[in-house]
Amino acid sequence: EAGVVQSPRYKIIEKKQPVAFWCNPISGHNTLYWYLQNLGQGPELLIRYENEEAVDDSQLPKDRFSAERLKGVDSTLKIQPAELGDSAVYLCASSRRDASYNEQFFGPGTRLTVL
Amino acid sequence: AQSVTQLDSQVPVFEEAPVELRCNYSSSVSVYLFWYVQYPNQGLQLLLKYLSGSTLVKGINGFEAEFNKSQTSFHLRKPSVHISDTAEYFCAVSGGSNYKLTFGKGTLLTVNP
Repeated sequence: EAGVVQSPRYKIIEKKQPVAFWCNPISGHNTLYWYLQNLGQGPELLIRYENEEAVDDSQLPKDRFSAERLKGVDSTLKIQPAELGDSAVYLCASSRRDASYNEQFFGPGTRLTVL
Repeated sequence: AQSVTQLDSQVPVFEEAPVELRCNYSSSVSVYLFWYVQYPNQGLQLLLKYLSGSTLVKGINGFEAEFNKSQTSFHLRKPSVHISDTAEYFCAVSGGSNYKLTFGKGTLLTVNP
């Protein structure tokens, strides 16, 4: 079974530029998460999708961040415009909604560097 | 609200020595507890989980953890570490029907020869 796929793995951009990250969850996983991981910190949830619906986006900075999961499978996270403080690793995870517990499977992440 | 405190940011040990990585949590509801490992430039991999039942949980790579409800702790242990165990370890909590995972800040385990 293939794991969570993310691309690109690394991205370097200049501040004020836009950037997008892509995630394909494990087949059959209808819950998808985007996390932000700053250097030396644990992941923090940005947004959670149940199928195509964003059910928890309370931590997503909506002035510059946006996300979509149009067909309830893969997802895109966008930042426009990027700021220096956005340099971090962006992790995607997925899980089964009907599981009795919340075991999330993580992708390798996208490391963003904003210059 | 939930929170996780990992008491040590870095733990250096020698190969074949035992190790304990400490984790304390707070939650107003019953919890599920997890330990994840993150190798350099990789995503998080689940080591073990506590859902209910036996308080001693065994995971992959020889790790185990003990849930202590009275002390609100979930410490991770391994009796003999290898160089390959060098990684960042994260403790996480999820409460009841809340699907949100709250992570600690992580503990960097460095195993020296």
